[in-house]
Amino acid sequence: NAGVTQTPKFQVLKTGQSMTLQCAQDMNHNSMYWYRQDPGMGLRLIYYSASEGTTDKGEVPNGYNVSRLNKREFSLRLESAAPSQTSVYFCASSEQQGNGNSPLHFGNGTRLTVT
Amino acid sequence: GENVEQHPSTLSVQEGDSAVIKCTYSDSASNYFPWYKQELGKRPQLIIDIRSNVGEKKDQRIAVTLNKTAKHFSLHITETQPEDSAVYFCAASSIRYGNNRLAFGKGNQVVVIP
Repeated sequence: NAGVTQTPKFQVLKTGQSMTLQCAQDMNHNSMYWYRQDPGMGLRLIYYSASEGTTDKGEVPNGYNVSRLNKREFSLRLESAAPSQTSVYFCASSEQQGNGNSPLHFGNGTRLTVT
Repeated sequence: GENVEQHPSTLSVQEGDSAVIKCTYSDSASNYFPWYKQELGKRPQLIIDIRSNVGEKKDQRIAVTLNKTAKHFSLHITETQPEDSAVYFCAASSIRYGNNRLAFGKGNQVVVIP
């Protein structure tokens, strides 16, 4: 049981390049999330998917797109990378059903640098 | 949206002493309050959580207390050990903004001095 798996672990991009961060979970969770973490800023929600087939914007969605490919996989795409997108990106999942809240399970993160 | 603030930003304690981190939240409709621990270079991991129908929850050396009237909740770590050194994040979730859409505080660095 691997939990939440993110790839790649590290990535360096030049301004304007595109890339997709991959995330998969094997816990049969309904909800999946993408956060970015910057020094002194905590964790900020980029996009989330409450269930398969749905996606919604979070706190900082500009410059990103997401795809909930199936129940297991949730990808984050940067179409034209900017230096401001240099960050550590965490994918997370939660069981989340109905009106209840459940803990987030995080992946190990992707450290992205845009030059 | 929900606004969560943590105080103090950095806390240094002697090994064996207690550490207390306090968070305040803005939305009275918030009903779920987890705490995450993040060691250097690692992912955040849940250490304890509390729901709005409970005032206190304890798990071995850690406990969380919730004051809904004052809109604050606190993490208490007793008998601190060097392995407790980490960044601790509090979060709050309000049904008003979507279930399980957590708003995180900016984190507290806890340093346990041996």
